[in-house]
Amino acid sequence: EAGVAQSPRYKIIEKRQSVAFWCNPISGHATLYWYQQILGQGPKLLIQFQNNGVVDDSQLPKDRFSAERLKGVDSTLKIQPAKLEDSAVYLCASSLGSGRTSTDTQYFGPGTRLTVL
Amino acid sequence: AQSVSQHNHHVILSEAASLELGCNYSYGGTVNLFWYVQYPGQHLQLLLKYFSGDPLVKGIKGFEAEFIKSKFSFNLRKPSVQWSDTAEYFCAVNSYSSNTGKLIFGQGTTLQVKP
Repeated sequence: EAGVAQSPRYKIIEKRQSVAFWCNPISGHATLYWYQQILGQGPKLLIQFQNNGVVDDSQLPKDRFSAERLKGVDSTLKIQPAKLEDSAVYLCASSLGSGRTSTDTQYFGPGTRLTVL
Repeated sequence: AQSVSQHNHHVILSEAASLELGCNYSYGGTVNLFWYVQYPGQHLQLLLKYFSGDPLVKGIKGFEAEFIKSKFSFNLRKPSVQWSDTAEYFCAVNSYSSNTGKLIFGQGTTLQVKP
């Protein structure tokens, strides 16, 4: 079974530029998550989709971050404009169901490491 | 706000030593609890999880964790570590009332096992 795919793996940009990350979840997984992991911290949820609807985006900085999952499969996370403090690893995860049952596990991708100069 | 605290930031052990990593969470309601591991150069992967039932849960690679509700704790243990256990370990919580699969992670513990 193929895992969660993310691209690019690394990205270096200057502040005020824009950047986009792509995620392809495990086939058939209804729920997709984007987490931000700043160095020395645990991942923090930015947004959760179930199919193509947003379930939770309470911690997404909506003035600069946006995300979409138009066809309920792959997803794109965008930052525009980027700030220095956006330097982090952006992790995508997926789960078969809502992620809230004992048989439902979140599977993580390799992440995209963003450096903002 | 909910939070997860991992007491040890960096642990160094010799092979065959016993391991216990502390995890406490701040939430009074029903929670689901997880330990994830990230081996060098690899993805985050699930070690074990607790949803209900026996508070002592067993995971992969000989790891286990005990949920103590009165202490809001979910400590990870392994009786004898191996060099291959060198990794970063994250405790995470999903609160039942959040109605989503959102995981709240601790800051992680880096485990270094010396051969």
